[in-house]
Amino acid sequence: AQTVTQSQPEMSVQEAETVTLSCTYDTSENNYYLFWYKQPPSRQMILVIRQEAYKQQNATENRFSVNFQKAAKSFSLKISDSQLGDTAMYFCAFEDLGRLYFGRGTQLTVWP
Amino acid sequence: NAGVTQTPKFQVLKTGQSMTLQCAQDMNHNSMYWYRQDPGMGLRLIYYSASEGTTDKGEVPNGYNVSRLNKREFSLRLESAAPSQTSVYFCASSPRRLQGSDEKLFFGSGTQLSVL
Repeated sequence: AQTVTQSQPEMSVQEAETVTLSCTYDTSENNYYLFWYKQPPSRQMILVIRQEAYKQQNATENRFSVNFQKAAKSFSLKISDSQLGDTAMYFCAFEDLGRLYFGRGTQLTVWP
Repeated sequence: NAGVTQTPKFQVLKTGQSMTLQCAQDMNHNSMYWYRQDPGMGLRLIYYSASEGTTDKGEVPNGYNVSRLNKREFSLRLESAAPSQTSVYFCASSPRRLQGSDEKLFFGSGTQLSVL
């Protein structure tokens, strides 16, 4: 079974600062997709960013970027210039054989 | 522009009761999924349907059944609810099966189910 580990249950950051959320995963596959989803208090699941394993270049989406280390099976999310609206639960997810496997989440709080 | 619609949004059941959670998508997606979310556990896949007419078990299928009624609708049934099934249930869809593709999941807003 695939496993996704998020070792930080909670994190906090001051507005405008940068924060990095960690994620590691376990797989024997060579090509796969990795995702970060955001879940604000509204409970809606929102895709933040996606990375394909065979691509060397780290994905970026505006203030969000990843540090993908394939050999280490690490997929961290960096949020730059944090905003109050970034307060949410963040889930790392791994796609295998058409299924998404989620980590347990990191609750991020951005304070003024 | 509804996307993925789940009903009901909230439900309280007594142990042993049965109910069906409904999910419909209006995006002409082929693949649909049911997840449950428990505190501290992330989302876990219950069942999924890669295309109309097919269903497959996910990580935690015990106690559930599903029906892919047509391309739009994918229902989740609890035949005899148990307190362990208290959870938030999410339906999701994707244009085609995620495997090796550039697709993403579109999620509904969730159903909060409590089993007493």
